[in-house]
Amino acid sequence: NAGVTQTPKFQVLKTGQSMTLQCAQDMNHNSMYWYRQDPGMGLRLIYYSASEGTTDKGEVPNGYNVSRLNKREFSLRLESAAPSQTSVYFCASRNLRGVEEKLFFGSGTQLSVL
Amino acid sequence: QQQVKQSPQSLIVQKGGISIINCAYENTAFDYFPWYQQFPGKGPALLIAIRPDVSEKKEGRFTISFNKSAKQFSLHIMDSQPGDSATYFCAGRGEYSGGGADGLTFGKGTHLIIQP
Repeated sequence: NAGVTQTPKFQVLKTGQSMTLQCAQDMNHNSMYWYRQDPGMGLRLIYYSASEGTTDKGEVPNGYNVSRLNKREFSLRLESAAPSQTSVYFCASRNLRGVEEKLFFGSGTQLSVL
Repeated sequence: QQQVKQSPQSLIVQKGGISIINCAYENTAFDYFPWYQQFPGKGPALLIAIRPDVSEKKEGRFTISFNKSAKQFSLHIMDSQPGDSATYFCAGRGEYSGGGADGLTFGKGTHLIIQP
């Protein structure tokens, strides 16, 4: 009954530090996503993985890298964190039936870069 | 290029009133239009969705109205309750603007407050 699990829930970094956000889903979904949410900006897609072994850039990929480790896990890495990357990050996986698409989101990671 | 425009950015409605949130889209190839609801500290969750061959869909107090010719759709919440206070996102499903796979493009969200 876990769905999409993200870790950590909170993180504070100093400018220039690196970190990896972890995400795992237990629903056997092929597609997984990383979004960032900022006030007034909505949900912006950073990277996605349409299937195991593939990754593609979304709307705001600069400063991030991703790894689709296996079908369950999709991680997001900040190599050198910047204050502009202060945000709430959400991982999601997708259930698709024809055109009816349902995203399952994790509970988010609140990241502050000082 | 913003493919889904959502308004208003914030909305205050009295308990028992009707909440209305509007979205307009540009991509005529969109084939599915969901609404997501997000409570503070949580991830968004699918609330209701509609396909473009249908003009209206109703689930309980929530209704989507869809106008294909105007490229607009809206969410109506009837008899709004304090528990409906949340952020609502509309979306359209189609090919990502950079090419590649299909997926959802979200509006910027509406922060809804229902006053008791």
